[in-house]
Amino acid sequence: DIVMTQSPDSLAVSLGERATINCKSSQSVLYSSNNKNYLAWYQQKPGQPPKLLIYWASMRESGVPDRFSGSGSGTDFTLTISSLQAEDVAVYYCQQYYRTPATFGQGTKLEIK
Amino acid sequence: EVQLLESGGDFVQPGGSLRLSCAASGFTFSSYAMYWVRQAPGKGLEWVATISGRGGSTYYGDSVKGRFTISRDSFQNMVYLQMNTLRGEDTALYYCAKSVRDLIPDAFDVWGQGTMVTVSS
Repeated sequence: DIVMTQSPDSLAVSLGERATINCKSSQSVLYSSNNKNYLAWYQQKPGQPPKLLIYWASMRESGVPDRFSGSGSGTDFTLTISSLQAEDVAVYYCQQYYRTPATFGQGTKLEIK
Repeated sequence: EVQLLESGGDFVQPGGSLRLSCAASGFTFSSYAMYWVRQAPGKGLEWVATISGRGGSTYYGDSVKGRFTISRDSFQNMVYLQMNTLRGEDTALYYCAKSVRDLIPDAFDVWGQGTMVTVSS
């Protein structure tokens, strides 16, 4: 199975500041034939299901604010929130869908400093 | 509006069985693979099972293989998860999720609110 490891486990950022969450896969999730990274990011607020933010590592889902961006390729990926808002407090998960079983990172809890 | 609504979660003793249901609406049901993903209390996300758009292919996580069965009814737009020989470690909130495309595996763009399964004596 592909193991997804996120860092840090928790993060406190001031309102309006940048938040960066990292995700590393145990093997590459870049499919060479289409040059796509099979990597997604989700946001989960308390008492709610996860919400898809980013897929193909950098494609923003419809309706997701443009302060959210994804980057990286191969085995190393980053989710960046350019200017943290109060409503961004949540747990964030990365997920690979390159190979079954789809696997998730352990989650990163984002709080306001 | 695209929507998934799970039901069937309950409190059950170890060794027992349960069937979860997921009612889908607002999209062309047979065009998408469907998934079950679970989340133990206070824990992260774990993929459980997948069924292809037309139902011809199914996949299971190692922890549930041989005990759980995923199925779908394209006339009723329903997805099911039959859970047998339940264990304490199956205690979790079970989400039904829709694939972004009809890929296996895939990212999940629509999630239900989840249905809680508690396995305890």
